[in-house]
Amino acid sequence: DGGITQSPKYLFRKEGQNVTLSCEQNLNHDAMYWYRQDPGQGLRLIYYSQIVNDFQKGDIAEGYSVSREKKESFPLTVTSAQKNPTAFYLCASRTLGELFFGEGSRLTVL
Amino acid sequence: AQSVAQPEDQVNVAEGNPLTVKCTYSVSGNPYLFWYVQYPNRGLQFLLKYITGDNLVKGSYGFEAEFNKSQTSFHLKKPSALVSDSALYFCAVRDLASGNTPLVFGKGTRLSVIA
Repeated sequence: DGGITQSPKYLFRKEGQNVTLSCEQNLNHDAMYWYRQDPGQGLRLIYYSQIVNDFQKGDIAEGYSVSREKKESFPLTVTSAQKNPTAFYLCASRTLGELFFGEGSRLTVL
Repeated sequence: AQSVAQPEDQVNVAEGNPLTVKCTYSVSGNPYLFWYVQYPNRGLQFLLKYITGDNLVKGSYGFEAEFNKSQTSFHLKKPSALVSDSALYFCAVRDLASGNTPLVFGKGTRLSVIA
């Protein structure tokens, strides 16, 4: 079945460590997005990519990095510079105007 | 700039009663509007969208939304609520003239349907 796969679903990290969240899609969509979700704050855009080898910062890019080497893949690295990384992270891809979301990855910093 | 507001953090409704979840938006041009639903620890699922045409849009699971240009609103409605409708609902908007800019989401409204 076509869709977006995020892994891992749950991740625990010690302070000072970088972690990478995986996002893979087989929908043949050009555009992909990373959102962060915190209780009561809705979805905030971290990074997005309209095409392979190109990406743009969203509203809260500080402390995060991405790459887009393949159309299918858009991994997100949460670096040690991100001061409050504990959150639920959602990856999405877009066709026409509609976004399709993965099931999310919950990151907890211990 | 584009923005969307969901004025209610929480909406409570009895099962079988009609429900409304409110959304207002702000864009420079014509809006492209969406509603999504999220169940606990899951991703967002698409419910419906409005681009142009009939102001009443029908979507998944019996939901519909009414576009009102003069009030810049896009409220989500359902004639008879089910307990299984309890979830977090997000409204989103993009300016049709803005090319491929990302959707802007509201902060979400938690719907609780009580049996």
